[in-house]
Amino acid sequence: GAVVSQHPSRVICKSGTSVKIECRSLDFQATTMFWYRQFPKQSLMLMATSNEGSKATYEQGVEKDKFLINHASLTLSTLTVTSAHPEDSSFYICSASGGTQETQYFGPGTRLLVL
Amino acid sequence: GNSVTQMEGPVTLSEEAFLTINCTYTATGYPSLFWYVQYPGEGLQLLLKATKADDKGSNKGFEATYRKETTSFHLEKGSVQVSDSAVYFCALRRDSGNTPLVFGKGTRLSVIA
Repeated sequence: GAVVSQHPSRVICKSGTSVKIECRSLDFQATTMFWYRQFPKQSLMLMATSNEGSKATYEQGVEKDKFLINHASLTLSTLTVTSAHPEDSSFYICSASGGTQETQYFGPGTRLLVL
Repeated sequence: GNSVTQMEGPVTLSEEAFLTINCTYTATGYPSLFWYVQYPGEGLQLLLKATKADDKGSNKGFEATYRKETTSFHLEKGSVQVSDSAVYFCALRRDSGNTPLVFGKGTRLSVIA
């Protein structure tokens, strides 16, 4: 199947710093990418939907100024957690779909720990 | 709104036991239904899917049937292996591939030898 990568896989940062997470579709053009957040022993919660070349659509309760999403190309979307705080510590997962593909392919996730 | 409810875990089974993980959904219209699996330290992988009522998805010995009358999509496997130990997520999607998935909370399965 198609491959989606995320980088970094794990990051530890100090409170107040910003962290950028990259999501890449390696062998297909992803017209749409989704960003999810997963708390321990919880389900994946959709944060935002990102279409290439347009502004992301955020879910209710997700601060767009805190979680900046950029989808500048058909193979790359980035999520920047600005001024991170300990409560932002979580597992962030992206998925991508595109073209005629009905299936969404998931990245391996990025574990963020804010101290 | 759309939602997915799946049985709470963890589930612990002996090797070769029969597995059932219940999943029910609430949605308007006719969603597509999925089971994803997350192995330790890895991302979610699509296990199987069904796109319309009475469809049966199957893969790696797992199967699930889309039951519209009971709004269910229970996951079954006749004989589990240690390598099946993972977290299993039931999910639905209302429209095309470019719409987000709605996930259940996940069920952790541990299979012991």
